[in-house]
Amino acid sequence: NAGVTQTPKFRVLKTGQSMTLLCAQDMNHEYMYWYRQDPGMGLRLIHYSVGEGTTAKGEVPDGYNVSRLKKQNFLLGLESAAPSQTSVYFCASGKGGAIDTEAFFGQGTRLTVV
Amino acid sequence: AQSVAQPEDQVNVAEGNPLTVKCTYSVSGNPYLFWYVQYPNRGLQFLLKYITGDNLVKGSYGFEAEFNKSQTSFHLKKPSALVSDSALYFCAVRPLNTGFQKLVFGTGTRLLVSP
Repeated sequence: NAGVTQTPKFRVLKTGQSMTLLCAQDMNHEYMYWYRQDPGMGLRLIHYSVGEGTTAKGEVPDGYNVSRLKKQNFLLGLESAAPSQTSVYFCASGKGGAIDTEAFFGQGTRLTVV
Repeated sequence: AQSVAQPEDQVNVAEGNPLTVKCTYSVSGNPYLFWYVQYPNRGLQFLLKYITGDNLVKGSYGFEAEFNKSQTSFHLKKPSALVSDSALYFCAVRPLNTGFQKLVFGTGTRLLVSP
């Protein structure tokens, strides 16, 4: 019963490096989300997807790109990492739509950009 | 735009005592309200929700929350705290009939239950 799995769990990047965070869900959910969590700021939505092949911007999309080539996977990319992107990143998935009242979260990826 | 305020960064309570974690919200129209809990090095876990109906909502692990429309509050409560309840708690809100992507989270309240 995996649920939502994020890879990797920890990463340290140098400024300017690129990386991709992978989120995989096995619940056949249509909707997937990427959040960042910063101290004193709660969770903020970066990008989300309402289905395979679709993506949309959230509250803080700048500096990130996403892709949803397969229904079960949602990738978050940082093309040129900056120290301001040091954060804990959470992926979530859900059934979606106005009837959706909860989502399932992964364990998080702690990213440090030096 | 909707917003959530959790006025306390940390709440300290002794095991066996009742606990309250406060949340107030601002949203256009009627709200969907949620509480999530985050244990160390884990993702958020759903605790309970209010959509409509009874103002007192019961959730997981013995938690409950009371919706008060006039005070725009949704405080989380538990009659008797356990040490294992120590965690970070998030309140969240979105307008009725909108998708999960419209959910706005509070800044979180750390609950510390002492033995």
